[in-house]
Amino acid sequence: GENVEQHPSTLSVQEGDSAVIKCTYSDSASNYFPWYKQELGKGPQLIIDIRSNVGEKKDQRIAVTLNKTAKHFSLHITETQPEDSAVYFCAASRGGTYKYIFGTGTRLKVLA
Amino acid sequence: EAGVAQSPRYKIIEKRQSVAFWCNPISGHATLYWYQQILGQGPKLLIQFQNNGVVDDSQLPKDRFSAERLKGVDSTLKIQPAKLEDSAVYLCASSLATGQYEQYFGPGTRLTVT
Repeated sequence: GENVEQHPSTLSVQEGDSAVIKCTYSDSASNYFPWYKQELGKGPQLIIDIRSNVGEKKDQRIAVTLNKTAKHFSLHITETQPEDSAVYFCAASRGGTYKYIFGTGTRLKVLA
Repeated sequence: EAGVAQSPRYKIIEKRQSVAFWCNPISGHATLYWYQQILGQGPKLLIQFQNNGVVDDSQLPKDRFSAERLKGVDSTLKIQPAKLEDSAVYLCASSLATGQYEQYFGPGTRLTVT
């Protein structure tokens, strides 16, 4: 079945620096890739998503890139702020039931 | 707009006991999901409902887990009997429909089985 690998598991950056989180998926039929942010004690919240017909998408300080050939996608956060500290999950989905397969998460710490 | 509501927020039970979780999705959302999130891992889908019908329950341990969504709104997830390895956060999510729509998550129920 589909598998999604996510790296790194933890990431510490200085405030104002950039952070990059990478995911690799196994199912070449996957065509939708959301990214979720989970703060302590809360459920995950969608921050950005990308579909397979697009190579890059930006929303203010957040961007996602997709390489279908290599089957990997990445989350880029620029000008990081302390409130960006959280656990980030990538996911992959395909047609049919559109089930999300989540990665194992990256704990991002932004140091003030 | 009210979000996805879940209760209880925390539950501690002994192994072999039973437990039930409740979820109220966002009004108008046809699709409801139950996920299991073990500490340090990503959420894993247990069951997905479209209205009151099951779309996917392939990863639900049916010998001990059951779920229902009567009238296509609220849902309950039950575990009977619980095992130590069931300790996890159980997340409920909802979306407008089945498809690649945004899933809105509730705060989860943290279950500890001792």
